[in-house]
Amino acid sequence: DGGITQSPKYLFRKEGQNVTLSCEQNLNHDAMYWYRQDPGQGLRLIYYSQIVNDFQKGDIAEGYSVSREKKESFPLTVTSAQKNPTAFYLCASSPLAGSTDTQYFGPGTRLTVL
Amino acid sequence: AQSVTQPDIHITVSEGASLELRCNYSYGATPYLFWYVQSPGQGLQLLLKYFSGDTLVQGIKGFEAEFKRSQSSFNLRKPSVHWSDAAEYFCAVGAVGGRGKLIFGQGTELSVKP
Repeated sequence: DGGITQSPKYLFRKEGQNVTLSCEQNLNHDAMYWYRQDPGQGLRLIYYSQIVNDFQKGDIAEGYSVSREKKESFPLTVTSAQKNPTAFYLCASSPLAGSTDTQYFGPGTRLTVL
Repeated sequence: AQSVTQPDIHITVSEGASLELRCNYSYGATPYLFWYVQSPGQGLQLLLKYFSGDTLVQGIKGFEAEFKRSQSSFNLRKPSVHWSDAAEYFCAVGAVGGRGKLIFGQGTELSVKP
């Protein structure tokens, strides 16, 4: 089945630790996105990437980092600099670089920092 | 700057009743408009989208939406709600030439009474 996978579904970390969230897609999509979701705030864009080895900051990039070494993978690292990392994180992809189109979402990772 | 407003945070309707979820956007040109649905703890699924053409758009699960340029609105409707429609609904807007970025509203949570 084609789609987007995110792992793990639930993640617990101690304060001050970096943590990496996985996002993989087998849709052959060019563009990939990371969003953060908090109750009552909708989805906020963290980072996005249109092509391999290139990515741009979204609206709330501080305290996060990404890489795009392969077309199908776009991992997100939540660093210790992120002041309030507990949230639901969603990864998405869309078919063509630089083109507004449907974004297809993964099932999400819920990160809880203790 | 682009923005999306969903005025209703939470709506409750009876099963079998009609539904209208409101979405207003702010954008200078004709935007690309989307409605997504999210079940608890899950990713987002596309219900429908409007890019151009007929302003009444049909989507999955019996939903439709109407683009009204004069009112900057893209309201979602369903003639008869089913208990399985209980979820959170997000309106999103994308810009032509916006490098694929979408701006999401804060979401409307729908509860369905038996």
